[in-house]
Amino acid sequence: ETGVTQTPRHLVMGMTNKKSLKCEQHLGHNAMYWYKQSAKKPLELMFVYSLEERVENNSVPSRFSPECPNSSHLFLHLHTLQPEDSALYLCASSQDRNGKQFFGPGTRLTVL
Amino acid sequence: GQNIDQPTEMTATEGAIVQINCTYQTSGFNGLFWYQQHAGEAPTFLSYNVLDGLEEKGRFSSFLSRSKGYSYLLLKELQMKDSASYLCAVRPGNTGGFKTIFGAGTRLFVKA
Repeated sequence: ETGVTQTPRHLVMGMTNKKSLKCEQHLGHNAMYWYKQSAKKPLELMFVYSLEERVENNSVPSRFSPECPNSSHLFLHLHTLQPEDSALYLCASSQDRNGKQFFGPGTRLTVL
Repeated sequence: GQNIDQPTEMTATEGAIVQINCTYQTSGFNGLFWYQQHAGEAPTFLSYNVLDGLEEKGRFSSFLSRSKGYSYLLLKELQMKDSASYLCAVRPGNTGGFKTIFGAGTRLFVKA
């Protein structure tokens, strides 16, 4: 238990569906991250929020839309995804830019 | 470009010592992290190096040489539960610090 929770843990969706991934951190951190982890590939940073403001957007397609309503919650809204978007999506948080990151358990996403 | 290289897989025997190497080429440097990730679980923080030298923490030690763009993670007295992937990650120095670049990970198999 790292203090970062993610729901759902598993998600299967069609290419025309709309779904959202949720992340919550209970550590009092001020930065939150979304990563994509595909098999045998490095973790890819998608978005970073610091103090609820997006500070990194790593050339992510617009079919992924992040939302950070407060410093404890982070969402990733998904729509019209492609099969190649199937991956493990990890949320993380840290205290400030130099802090170590605490990861949630991830959401295993399958796009049919 | 920016990249991190580490071996794909390693095998070692229970009770032995193993060294996992990591080399990096990044635009600036603002710290190097090692994470452990068991199959199907979230990465968990192991160590952080920002200055040259060895950091020791129990059975795990991490070394950094900034001039060589090189780090290693040393695991002593290996246990079966150490079988996992080990991720090397670097914070480049030119992005304000939030971006973290991850290697693809080294999968370690510990055999009896």
